[in-house]
Amino acid sequence: SYELTQPPSVSVSPGQTASITCSGHKLGDKYGCWYQQKPGQSPVLVIYDNNKRPSGIPERFSGSNSGNTATLTISGTQAMDEADYYCQAWDSSTDVVFGGGTKLTVL
Amino acid sequence: QVQLQESGPGLVKPSETLSLTCTVSGASISSYYWSWIRQPPGKGLEWIGYIYYSGNTYYNASLKSRVTISVDTSKNQFSLKLSSVTAADTAVYYCARWVESGALTWFDPWGQGTLVTVSS
Repeated sequence: SYELTQPPSVSVSPGQTASITCSGHKLGDKYGCWYQQKPGQSPVLVIYDNNKRPSGIPERFSGSNSGNTATLTISGTQAMDEADYYCQAWDSSTDVVFGGGTKLTVL
Repeated sequence: QVQLQESGPGLVKPSETLSLTCTVSGASISSYYWSWIRQPPGKGLEWIGYIYYSGNTYYNASLKSRVTISVDTSKNQFSLKLSSVTAADTAVYYCARWVESGALTWFDPWGQGTLVTVSS
């Protein structure tokens, strides 16, 4: 079965750039997306099709996907960006797959 | 603006069947795929399955033997049944629209989620 691996936690200082990775076999050959989940809230789509932002998502959120790793980058990180982030992809053998999630802390 | 709302019992006894309904507003259910996803307390997201309005269903292999997802186009609703539940099925259950174009997929939007606790 296909698996996506994320670091459990990432820390960043306000105003700096945060990078959250998602690893999977030949993930770059697939399409990745990212969700933000704040405590007590539902997940919100922040990146789809590897690097596209839905309407209403700030420009500081960007994505890339190459080789075995997809990356969510938050430029000029703000306190409001503190949340759990999940990557997701689709695989022909496993269907929908989520990464285990990364807790972003803005120190 | 598409909105989804889960409804159903918040407490289910072990060995019984969990039943939830998702009501879709702002869009016809006769488009797109519609999905259920769950999240145990303090843990990550787990995809349960999805359904097309025609009734075609796709389930997570790990849950397939216990899951049934159905759709009621007349009510613009779709439903989840999970049989023989145990404490491990305690989770927040979300419904969501699943957008797909071949291998390009994402879930958007999501419902607010409903906590289902399995306990006697």
